[in-house]
Amino acid sequence: AQSVAQPEDQVNVAEGNPLTVKCTYSVSGNPYLFWYVQYPNRGLQFLLKYITGDNLVKGSYGFEAEFNKSQTSFHLKKPSALVSDSALYFCAVRTGANNLFFGTGTRLTVIP
Amino acid sequence: KAGVTQTPRYLIKTRGQQVTLSCSPISGHRSVSWYQQTPGQGLQFLFEYFSETQRNKGNFPGRFSGRQFSNSRSEMNVSTLELGDSALYLCASSSSSGGASNEQFFGPGTRLTVL
Repeated sequence: AQSVAQPEDQVNVAEGNPLTVKCTYSVSGNPYLFWYVQYPNRGLQFLLKYITGDNLVKGSYGFEAEFNKSQTSFHLKKPSALVSDSALYFCAVRTGANNLFFGTGTRLTVIP
Repeated sequence: KAGVTQTPRYLIKTRGQQVTLSCSPISGHRSVSWYQQTPGQGLQFLFEYFSETQRNKGNFPGRFSGRQFSNSRSEMNVSTLELGDSALYLCASSSSSGGASNEQFFGPGTRLTVL
């Protein structure tokens, strides 16, 4: 069975500060890991993914994520938060022929 | 390229009715997945279609069904609606190979309200 945990429902950060949104996963086999963002009344937008290779993955809008196999984590990071980054963030995992499985989401609020 | 489109955007139905939602994937995409999003349950996978065949199915009752046409457009149907079916239904498409490592592109969703 595969699962994804986003331990924080809410993350608040001041504008200009670095941000981290946490994600841990549990799978059998090699995982494909994804981050998506959802703005109000919108569908999900793809940010970045890890397939294999370099553990640090760079994505859209200045976001990056670090894959840590020993800690089974895939935390999303950004060096300097913007107010426009405020949104709902989802981590997701997929293995082989299985479907994409999403975490419960983390609401990020960037305070001006 | 045009993105994933879903129609209708909003829908209000009453208990016991049935509903059909439509999804047009990005041109050239042959994989279409459907998800249900609710505040309590989050994002839950319904099913995935690839080249008109259901490839994966989530843990939903048989009242939820879907299909995919030869042009990759997909529909999902919910029969005998229940209040708990009120949700945002999201459709996503991915590239022609539909492999597990391919990211999915989501439509804006259909907001279904069951009264």
